[in-house]
Amino acid sequence: AQRVTQPEKLLSVFKGAPVELKCNYSYSGSPELFWYVQYSRQRLQLLLRHISRESIKGFTADLNKGETSFHLKKPFAQEEDSAMYYCARVGRGAQKLVFGQGTRLTINP
Amino acid sequence: GAVVSQHPSRVICKSGTSVKIECRSLDFQATTMFWYRQFPKQSLMLMATSNEGSKATYEQGVEKDKFLINHASLTLSTLTVTSAHPEDSSFYICSAPGGAGYNEQFFGPGTRLTVL
Repeated sequence: AQRVTQPEKLLSVFKGAPVELKCNYSYSGSPELFWYVQYSRQRLQLLLRHISRESIKGFTADLNKGETSFHLKKPFAQEEDSAMYYCARVGRGAQKLVFGQGTRLTINP
Repeated sequence: GAVVSQHPSRVICKSGTSVKIECRSLDFQATTMFWYRQFPKQSLMLMATSNEGSKATYEQGVEKDKFLINHASLTLSTLTVTSAHPEDSSFYICSAPGGAGYNEQFFGPGTRLTVL
């Protein structure tokens, strides 16, 4: 089965500190991976995707095929980064998304 | 970006009644839509894939007679929870793929269903 694992349900860091949200996926030749974010009282929205190699809101994520990981990183956390973060991959069948369990990130002032 | 709406945003019903939830793509067409269920403090669980013009595809363990899906047009999919029971109480979210070929999904705001 194609799985996505986010080992941390909760992550709390201080403002200005680096943050890393972990994501591992079950092996698949060429996975298509995403990070989605859900801010309080808002809908789920795309944060970034590995294929575009972009930095959004200071976040980056690099696909590491050797470690089958797609960790989300930001060098200096801000309070507005507090949210629920989901790692996801395209599952079997076009466009279906398989989500990790999610990590609730809290940035302390 | 593309916008997906859901209606109603919340609904409370009595046990044994049926509830219909609508999912609309507002400014784009969606031949495929997805329905998820989210329990409190848990991740999204894909329930089914809604296909315009054909039958929905259900994930393993999801009762298709319980959760009826109809993709009536290129902008509308409906999920009907039939004979709802308290254990069906949950947050139901739909999404539709869009974007330029990158499998990006646009999510609705969700519908909170409470069955008394």
